[in-house]
Amino acid sequence: SQKIEQNSEALNIQEGKTATLTCNYTNYSPAYLQWYRQDPGRGPVFLLLIRENEKEKRKERLKVTFDTTLKQSLFHITASQPADSATYLCASSGGSYIPTFGRGTSLIVHP
Amino acid sequence: DGGITQSPKYLFRKEGQNVTLSCEQNLNHDAMYWYRQDPGQGLRLIYYSQIVNDFQKGDIAEGYSVSREKKESFPLTVTSAQKNPTAFYLCASSFGRPGTRNQETQYFGPGTRLLVL
Repeated sequence: SQKIEQNSEALNIQEGKTATLTCNYTNYSPAYLQWYRQDPGRGPVFLLLIRENEKEKRKERLKVTFDTTLKQSLFHITASQPADSATYLCASSGGSYIPTFGRGTSLIVHP
Repeated sequence: DGGITQSPKYLFRKEGQNVTLSCEQNLNHDAMYWYRQDPGQGLRLIYYSQIVNDFQKGDIAEGYSVSREKKESFPLTVTSAQKNPTAFYLCASSFGRPGTRNQETQYFGPGTRLLVL
């Protein structure tokens, strides 16, 4: 069955460093991958989408890569700030183009 | 202000009771969705609707019902048949219809937390 997996352990980093979050998928080839940010008790907010024919996408301090060989997407936040602390969800295209969401990885940026 | 709203923020259900969660959007989106989120879990799709008066079951539809009488509104009823309803419920919408590329990006409401008394 199709699976999308994110590291369940929280990522702790120091302010100013680059945070890197991983999303792996198995048993299928998604047409795209998306990243969302979710703050506690709130709905997810869309950040970036990258398609299978794109290697990299950037938006301000955010960068997403898509490696179809490794079946993996990496999400980078450069010059991280405490305000970047949140849970980040990866989502991939599933059947009928409705996204399938991973469980999310919590990022904690320490001042 | 354009956006998607959900109410109430918190909802308490007594055993055997049906409760309805509201979801409204003024983004002129065709597609709307309901997800359930449990602690440490990903979002699980309950129902989705591509167009008014049409909706489809998602992965965990049992114990839930929906209606789509207006483009702007997609209420979710949690029935007494849902034995474990405690969760965070998220409504979302997207511009295009499922099955098209325009519906990929989803816009979420603030969520409703349902608790059982």
